Amino acid sequence: DQQVKQNSPSLSVQEGRISILNCDYTNSMFDYFLWYKKYPAEGPTFLISISSIKDKNEDGRFTVFLNKSAKHLSLHIVPSQPGDSAVYFCAASAGAQKLVFGQGTRLTINP
Amino acid sequence: DSGVTQTPKHLITATGQRVTLRCSPRSGDLSVYWYQQSLDQGLQFLIQYYNGEERAKGNILERFSAQQFPDLHSELNLSSLELGDSALYFCASSVGSSGNTGELFFGEGSRLTVL
Repeated sequence: DQQVKQNSPSLSVQEGRISILNCDYTNSMFDYFLWYKKYPAEGPTFLISISSIKDKNEDGRFTVFLNKSAKHLSLHIVPSQPGDSAVYFCAASAGAQKLVFGQGTRLTINP
Repeated sequence: DSGVTQTPKHLITATGQRVTLRCSPRSGDLSVYWYQQSLDQGLQFLIQYYNGEERAKGNILERFSAQQFPDLHSELNLSSLELGDSALYFCASSVGSSGNTGELFFGEGSRLTVL
């Protein structure tokens, strides 16, 4: 039962353009959502989060949007930079429960 | 550097064998989490310990076990290994017990290959 789904295994974007990574979830009890970024040979690192009481959270070039009615969240990166090339994991939690991760999307920024 | 240390980084072993993966959390973190990442899969939660006690259990096989010691380091024991156990095993730590605030700090992972 995949409660958090990232349906795009990979995404290629030109440098300077906007990267949009998508994530869908099925558990309506999820109330906290996060994005993690992972470089090769490193562990995932926390990028940005959003509580279910909000629909947008912005941190520099990164913005996360939450659409609760559609059970969908997205991460926007603008402008995209070569250093943004990594695997991005969406994660969600319900209350004090464990984080549930999606399968990840490999983002490649082309110069 | 997340401050979470995992050893070994790479491990190759045969089916039927037993291995132990070790994790040292960030200084001051009381919770340790173990995740498994198989090929093209997301991070699957295995188990969480908080201050020495098991706090939550995920999709952990009976052949796997873990513990957290008084000095807060943790070990994940994998026995009767099968080919399908080949994966990246991540340890993460957090200060509190809930671990849902985003502040999970991950180690670099231990890559296990079962031949």
